[in-house]
Amino acid sequence: DGGITQSPKYLFRKEGQNVTLSCEQNLNHDAMYWYRQDPGQGLRLIYYSQIVNDFQKGDIAEGYSVSREKKESFPLTVTSAQKNPTAFYLCASTIGSRRTQETQYFGPGTRLLVL
Amino acid sequence: GQQLNQSPQSMFIQEGEDVSMNCTSSSIFNTWLWYKQDPGEGPVLLIALYKAGELTSNGRLTAQFGITRKDSFLNISASIPSDVGIYFCAGRSGTYKYIFGTGTRLKVLA
Repeated sequence: DGGITQSPKYLFRKEGQNVTLSCEQNLNHDAMYWYRQDPGQGLRLIYYSQIVNDFQKGDIAEGYSVSREKKESFPLTVTSAQKNPTAFYLCASTIGSRRTQETQYFGPGTRLLVL
Repeated sequence: GQQLNQSPQSMFIQEGEDVSMNCTSSSIFNTWLWYKQDPGEGPVLLIALYKAGELTSNGRLTAQFGITRKDSFLNISASIPSDVGIYFCAGRSGTYKYIFGTGTRLKVLA
């Protein structure tokens, strides 16, 4: 099946700890995204990557870091600098060709909780 | 960052009723997407719109790309209990960035 997988589904972070959320896609998409979702708010962009070895900060990048070493993978690290990390994190991808008819697809999400 | 105005925020309806929701933007978009999200799950794409005035259906769902390119509408006909969830709109203006609405929470009373 083609799609986007995220792991783990639930993740617990202790104070001062860095944690990494996994995102893998087998859709052969160039562009990948990380969003944060909080209750009552729309999705907010953390980072996005248009191509391998390149990524840009989104609207709320502080306290987060990413890497894009492979086309299929776009892991997100929530660092200890992120003081309010409890949220639902969604990974997404698009073909990324800037074609007019482009659609964004989402993974199942990871819920991060702070102990 | 920019967010879209989506309304209503929530609605309770009786099974069998029709539902309408909309999104408006201060910017012009060239793509409108509509998603449904169940609790604890990722959003699932319902309908994609790419041209002003476009009207597209997916089963009981119909969405329209507004003529001004600053709004979009989603209608659900003859609602059923499994329609419950949060519906999001998203717009894109030609860059890699998508802007999202705050969601419409739909509850269907059997």
